[in-house]
Amino acid sequence: EADIYQTPRYLVIGTGKKITLECSQTMGHDKMYWYQQDPGMELHLIHYSYGVNSTEKGDLSSESTVSRIRTEHFPLTLESARPSHTSQYLCASSDPLAIAGSAGELFFGEGSRLTVL
Amino acid sequence: LAKTTQPISMDSYEGQEVNITCSHNNIATNDYITWYQQFPSQGPRFIIQGYKTKVTNEVASLFIPADRKSSTLSLPRVSLSDTAVYYCLVAKRENTPLVFGKGTRLSVIA
Repeated sequence: EADIYQTPRYLVIGTGKKITLECSQTMGHDKMYWYQQDPGMELHLIHYSYGVNSTEKGDLSSESTVSRIRTEHFPLTLESARPSHTSQYLCASSDPLAIAGSAGELFFGEGSRLTVL
Repeated sequence: LAKTTQPISMDSYEGQEVNITCSHNNIATNDYITWYQQFPSQGPRFIIQGYKTKVTNEVASLFIPADRKSSTLSLPRVSLSDTAVYYCLVAKRENTPLVFGKGTRLSVIA
């Protein structure tokens, strides 16, 4: 079983609030990712990190920001939430050496479902 | 990143073998082919990965022809619990950020 945790699982907040979605993994993986997914729709990569102090934007533009100060922690922050931010946010980490000679495997958390009123 | 194309949806009866084909015409020499499964309200879960020919594990088989421009995920004797979205991804060995497409929504019917 993968050891990657997201909190909160569910969050309902009002417009304009600042929120931080937490993601932690205990596997020592250098690479971590944030995906955004609306119900029944495809996953979109919004941020990724290849290690401490490394952050990059994904293929979907997002108003959120991320930080990577510790290997195990990759929080996502929305400074001022809006109803358009309502979605499920999925955190993942990967170990490219998990399978010898392979491209690695992504391990996902259970997700944080955000509703902005 | 190599673009992948797979059917939007498929239906199957319980007990049947299901084959989902993915097209990746511009796959690069050092790209691997990976399949993930996603149930509603959960994150995707790794199923199988391969580079060429055939790979089999306890869950599925992956068939990759010599030109590697397509791949087929084979699920033997599906059950209702196999109802999920299946994603085909192509990634380099160093795991450049994995971009998920729309996937194939498999519905297993009793």
